[in-house]
Amino acid sequence: GQQLNQSPQSMFIQEGEDVSMNCTSSSIFNTWLWYKQDPGEGPVLLIALYKAGELTSNGRLTAQFGITRKDSFLNISASIPSDVGIYFCAGQLGDDKIIFGKGTRLHILP
Amino acid sequence: ETGVTQTPRHLVMGMTNKKSLKCEQHLGHNAMYWYKQSAKKPLELMFVYNFKEQTENNSVPSRFSPECPNSSHLFLHLHTLQPEDSALYLCASSQEVPGLGVNEQFFGPGTRLTVL
Repeated sequence: GQQLNQSPQSMFIQEGEDVSMNCTSSSIFNTWLWYKQDPGEGPVLLIALYKAGELTSNGRLTAQFGITRKDSFLNISASIPSDVGIYFCAGQLGDDKIIFGKGTRLHILP
Repeated sequence: ETGVTQTPRHLVMGMTNKKSLKCEQHLGHNAMYWYKQSAKKPLELMFVYNFKEQTENNSVPSRFSPECPNSSHLFLHLHTLQPEDSALYLCASSQEVPGLGVNEQFFGPGTRLTVL
């Protein structure tokens, strides 16, 4: 079945650094979603992408829908302590069910 | 606050118990979902209800039984569970528009289930 490869699995960065994570797939998608999950909570939608090549920002977050429709990346600029959590990518093709990546766990060192 | 609430937030049960998880969405959505989240694994879709009808059952064991009495409420009835069923169970909702395929799902906080 379809799978998403999300990397890295975890990251340790200094506060203030920029962060980059990505998802790749062997299949094409026509929607890419990025979620963040805080400890003890459910995932919260950060950014939704609907068109190949689309670049969308939400505050310090920027995500892009890869031109091949098989990948997407999420960047976080000038990280702050509340950015800690698990970031999930998710892809969908047509009316098929959404497929989630395994997540990238972000740790921020003081 | 995403507009999706789940109760209880934590549940510990024995293998012979029967319990139910409850989800309610206040977003006016027409589709609701149950997911299982285990450590180091992707979110696993369990059930989908679209316009109150079950449209997907992702090969889930019969010890999990969903119920969707209306488009705002979703239950997951549990009986004779196994320790490996311990996980975070997440409910989500979305507004399905037939043919558009856009599916931004809004998640509840989850129920942390421990089966002893």
